Order: sequence, then C-alpha cells, then structure tokens
Amino acid sequence: NAGVTQTPKFQVLKTGQSMTLQCAQDMNHEYMSWYRQDPGMGLRLIHYSVGAGITDQGEVPNGYNVSRSTTEDFPLRLLSAAPSQTSVYFCASRPTASNQPQHFGDGTRLSIL
Amino acid sequence: GDSVTQMEGPVTLSEEAFLTINCTYTATGYPSLFWYVQYPGEGLQLLLKATKADDKGSNKGFEATYRKETTSFHLEKGSVQVSDSAVYFCALISGYSTLTFGKGTMLLVSP
Repeated sequence: NAGVTQTPKFQVLKTGQSMTLQCAQDMNHEYMSWYRQDPGMGLRLIHYSVGAGITDQGEVPNGYNVSRSTTEDFPLRLLSAAPSQTSVYFCASRPTASNQPQHFGDGTRLSIL
Repeated sequence: GDSVTQMEGPVTLSEEAFLTINCTYTATGYPSLFWYVQYPGEGLQLLLKATKADDKGSNKGFEATYRKETTSFHLEKGSVQVSDSAVYFCALISGYSTLTFGKGTMLLVSP
C-alpha cells in the first residue's frame, strides 16, 4: 500500500536551474496539493488540484508550476530555482469530501545554492 | 479567511507528564478539525480528527474535543512518552476549501 510517493527525497540545485518534483498516489484521490515547510512558518500551500485537468493557486504559488494530466500524478515544477525556494516540499492527497484527512508523502528536501 | 493559532513551542516535558497543546481557530461555516504529527525526518501523519461540535477525536492516548463555543481544539495526553517527541500541527478545513495549518508546536519529552 504505497499511498503518496514523492521523488526525489533530496536534491541540490544551482540558482537558475529548473527541475520537477514528482508526486504519485495510488488511492484514486481526486484532491492533491503541494506544500512547502519552512522553520517557524508551518506548512504553506503552493498549488492544489481538485481533479485531473484542474489546478489552482494556493498561498505561495510564485515560481512554481503544476499540471494534473492524470488522477495519480501531480508534479511540481520549479521554473528557475532561487535560494528562497530552499525548503522541504510535501505532496498530499485526499478524497474530495472535505472531512477526510489528507495523506502526506515523506517530503523532498531541496537546497538551492 | 480561515486561520489556526497554536501555542508556540518548544514544549519540554518529562516522561509521564500531562500534555496540553492549545489550538484555536477562525473559520467560515462548520469546519472539520485535525491534529497531525510529524516525527523527525518524516512527513505528516494524521493523529486524530473531529468533524462536528462536541466530537472528541482520540488516538494513541491523545485526545482533542471540538469546542465550537470557544473555537478551540486543544490536544491532550495524560502521560507522555519519549517516543511522543515530534512536531504537532493543528489544522482545519471548511467547505471544499484547502486545509489550513497552524505553525506547529514542537514537543520534547525527556526520560
């Protein structure tokens, strides 16, 4: 029972590079989201999707792109990495019903030099 | 908009002490409330939830009661263990909106 799988677990980038953080879930959840976690800031929502083909911005979307071509996958793209994007990134999914808990991946630790 | 306020940490306790982590919220409508726990180096795991007023969520000895009149969802445990050391997040969701988290409270339990 894989749940939510994030890859890679660790990544170091240089300023200006681009990369994609992968997220996949095998629970047939409609709702998926990306958060970043920074010290003293809790978790902040970057982007979310309520189903295949539908995405929307969260609290801190600048510098990130997402797409949702399938129910299972929700990749997060950094277009031109900046040191301010050094963070731990978590992907989460849940059924559409809002009283259901979210399932989180183990996170991707990203450092931008 | 929705918001969650948690007590700041770290909370430092000795093993077998009583734990309370305060959480208050503001939300439109009738939110569902959650406590998540994050152990070092791991993602967030659901600890407990409550979906309506006066509901009590419980799991692994932790409890929290949904208090609509005080807009609170305080986390309690009667006797903490070293293995409970983690960061605890209070969160809410109202309607079909996104999950809103508090900033987290670190708990450190010493033997």
